[in-house]
Amino acid sequence: DTEVTQTPKHLVMGMTNKKSLKCEQHMGHRAMYWYKQKAKKPPELMFVYSYEKLSINESVPSRFSPECPNSSLLNLHLHALQPEDSALYLCASSPDTSTDTQYFGPGTRLTVL
Amino acid sequence: GESVGLHLPTLSVQEGDNSIINCAYSNSASDYFIWYKQESGKGPQFIIDIRSNMDKRQGQRVTVLLNKTVKHLSLQIAATQPGDSAVYFCAENYGGATNKLIFGTGTLLAVQP
Repeated sequence: DTEVTQTPKHLVMGMTNKKSLKCEQHMGHRAMYWYKQKAKKPPELMFVYSYEKLSINESVPSRFSPECPNSSLLNLHLHALQPEDSALYLCASSPDTSTDTQYFGPGTRLTVL
Repeated sequence: GESVGLHLPTLSVQEGDNSIINCAYSNSASDYFIWYKQESGKGPQFIIDIRSNMDKRQGQRVTVLLNKTVKHLSLQIAATQPGDSAVYFCAENYGGATNKLIFGTGTLLAVQP
């Protein structure tokens, strides 16, 4: 199984809402990532988790809060987002955080009204 | 031709022709490179990778060439098919213990039947 799954596929939220994005992998990978991708742009790294600990935060605003409950799950909690946060949010995983291939999920298309 | 801003560089080829997509990377210390294919509405899909101790690697219908002297990467697709139509991203890994990928701007490959 080389699949990374993400839910929901689409999400529309208001600026005062609280929502969460979920990501799951069952490949036994110990590194998981969140990326943000705007239209016609490349993915940009947000967070890296290694062995369930946050190892990289790319200066992401605190309205985005990641969580790694266990080695298979990665969440991104959203609160008080802005319309400019509308984007495709991609999750990826890799065996560990040495130079390994990252495998991406299908993404969650987020729209903030 | 190439354009900036909201428009991706586009390569238009005839079905059955060979395609060559180019990428310039930024960090001479990068030691791992990946090509991803991203179809509309989907996450990036791994195509092929290459480490800095190699200058060529072949897969099924794809070949990656690495020229470290000029920091250039290319992806060759043989006998291009309509299903190859997508945005192609190169990504470089700065190495170390973080597995941080930096993506190129992307190229839209349009295959004409």
